[in-house]
Amino acid sequence: DVVMTQTPVSLSVAIGQPASISCKSSQSLVGTSGKTYLNWLLQRPGQSPKRLIYLVSKLDSGIPDRFSGSGSETDFTLKISRVEADDLGVYYCLQGTHFPYTFGAGTKLELK
Amino acid sequence: QVQLKESGPGLVQPSQTLSLTCTVSGLSLTSNSVSWIRQPPGKGLEWMGVIWSNGGTDYNSAIKSRLSISRDTSKSQVFLKMNSLQTEDTAMYFCARGSSLAYWGQGTLVTVSS
Repeated sequence: DVVMTQTPVSLSVAIGQPASISCKSSQSLVGTSGKTYLNWLLQRPGQSPKRLIYLVSKLDSGIPDRFSGSGSETDFTLKISRVEADDLGVYYCLQGTHFPYTFGAGTKLELK
Repeated sequence: QVQLKESGPGLVQPSQTLSLTCTVSGLSLTSNSVSWIRQPPGKGLEWMGVIWSNGGTDYNSAIKSRLSISRDTSKSQVFLKMNSLQTEDTAMYFCARGSSLAYWGQGTLVTVSS
């Protein structure tokens, strides 16, 4: 199985400051179609996860452009340019290239 | 508006079979896939499997021998069945649209206990 290694495990950020989360995969996530199936999700406390970004860098509808995704092959990053109170929760990366699909262990974003 | 809603028994005895239903609205199962994901209390997410728009399935190899996903397109429902449940199967079970998990249901908590 593809192992998704997320860092840091937790992150304490002040409102208005940037945040960055890394996700590294144990093998390339480039599929046979040439697409890279790497998604980012946010699970707010007591809620279901919500997808923020798909195909490495494409923002889902309604997701503010404070969020951005980048990376290639095995190395990916989620960045928040200016953290807001609504951003707290646990962020997960998910690879959908190789079966079984696998998640990172999560990064908990807390407000400083 | 796309919606997914999971339903199930809540409590299952060890060694028994779990049956869950995901009822969808705002999307057609003949043109959308549906995935199942679970999350043990206080832990991370585990992808369980997917039923594709053509009715084909793919499962997580770790639980493949115990898992079955099927659907009734006329009722807009997707079903999960997993046998030989143990306490470690206690989790919140979610269904989600597509293989990239674009929309999620609210989840249903399943507790395995005698």
